[in-house]
Amino acid sequence: GQQLNQSPQSMFIQEGEDVSMNCTSSSIFNTWLWYKQDPGEGPVLLIALYKAGELTSNGRLTAQFGITRKDSFLNISASIPSDVGIYFCAGHNNAGNMLTFGGGTRLMVKP
Amino acid sequence: ETGVTQSPTHLIKTRGQQVTLRCSSQSGHNTVSWYQQALGQGPQFIFQYYREEENGRGNFPPRFSGLQFPNYSSELNVNALELDDSALYLCASSSHGASYGYTFGSGTRLTVV
Repeated sequence: GQQLNQSPQSMFIQEGEDVSMNCTSSSIFNTWLWYKQDPGEGPVLLIALYKAGELTSNGRLTAQFGITRKDSFLNISASIPSDVGIYFCAGHNNAGNMLTFGGGTRLMVKP
Repeated sequence: ETGVTQSPTHLIKTRGQQVTLRCSSQSGHNTVSWYQQALGQGPQFIFQYYREEENGRGNFPPRFSGLQFPNYSSELNVNALELDDSALYLCASSSHGASYGYTFGSGTRLTVV
């Protein structure tokens, strides 16, 4: 089963609001990744984090790799309708051959 | 640059049947991974193929098997289908050892009835 706990499970926000979601793990990961999945599509990489404590931005997205290497958060600023979708965190294992995904956060944005 | 292509996009099978799903990797990628995504859940790792051999496997029974071909494309085979096998099957290609460069296909939606 999945080892990553992602919260919240869903969010319904007003356009322009900021969003925050996080992910915790019982295991240490060397790399944390954040993906977005649109209906009928595969996940698309948003941000990759490689070092504990690292804070990385990609446009309106900001993500941090927790100091303990067991957690991460993703923030989206000034949300827009195209931000709608499901966001997944994923940890990359030491062997470098598998991703463990969280359960996802479904984001809905009201114009 | 061609992305990851999966076929078919949708499939309906009867319990007990066998199915083969196909994946063409992105140009320049030599590793293929397969994931199962049940409705409302995150993807779960099935296995990875590198140099035509299995390079890691998740918690899936032996009736899930795979192949990788010299051109890096891959097949996922599932025998003795069960109702719980109904899911979106995602293929991801990458360069061996890359910790971020996974490119996912759009998946094959398998329904077992």
